[in-house]
Amino acid sequence: QLQVQESGPGLVQPSETLSLTCTVSRGSISGNSYYWGWVRQPPGKGLEWIGGISYGGKAYYNSSLSGRVTISIDTSKNQFSLRLTSVTAADTALYFCFGSVFAWGQGTLVTVSS
Amino acid sequence: DIQMTQSPSPLSAFIGDRVTITCRASENIDIWMAWFQQKPGKSPKLLIYKASTLESGVPSRFSGSGSGTEFTLTISSLQPEDVATYYCLQYDSFSWAFGPGTKVELK
Repeated sequence: QLQVQESGPGLVQPSETLSLTCTVSRGSISGNSYYWGWVRQPPGKGLEWIGGISYGGKAYYNSSLSGRVTISIDTSKNQFSLRLTSVTAADTALYFCFGSVFAWGQGTLVTVSS
Repeated sequence: DIQMTQSPSPLSAFIGDRVTITCRASENIDIWMAWFQQKPGKSPKLLIYKASTLESGVPSRFSGSGSGTEFTLTISSLQPEDVATYYCLQYDSFSWAFGPGTKVELK
């Protein structure tokens, strides 16, 4: 069964850019109709959809993130990535990558702090 | 954007009770509803997709129903390991939205 796993720095400075990568295993990122993307969960709060990228390559984003987010896909590495610019303490959260509703990473905690 | 509401929260019940959680969408999402269980510090676990399809390996005491704008998740006989927070998710389009969650506790 297809698996996904997040990687990236656990600490980001305020106003900097948060960058995370999700690696897909036990399957091809381009060989199916999966929808790849990111969800986050601030401490003690609920799940928030950040955005996703379709099998056709079009990206969709949560409007609440005001143009700060970019999701891209690298089929040669079987990976997709998240970039979130101008981060503040409010972006501190557990970040999960997903493959449609079926595959979820274990999550990676990102703290925004100086 | 489609908005999701979820009730009740929290929910307190006895072992063996039948538990029902309701989720409402602000627009028609046909059957594109999924339900997840999440325990602290863990990733969401898929229980139900397409409103009523049980994910492989999920106990049969979990069931889902509904279409359009109103959906329910039912646990037929609550077990201790079911203590968790449950989230609904609409995935009718490529712009997803989660419900606020229902925390299920034991009385």
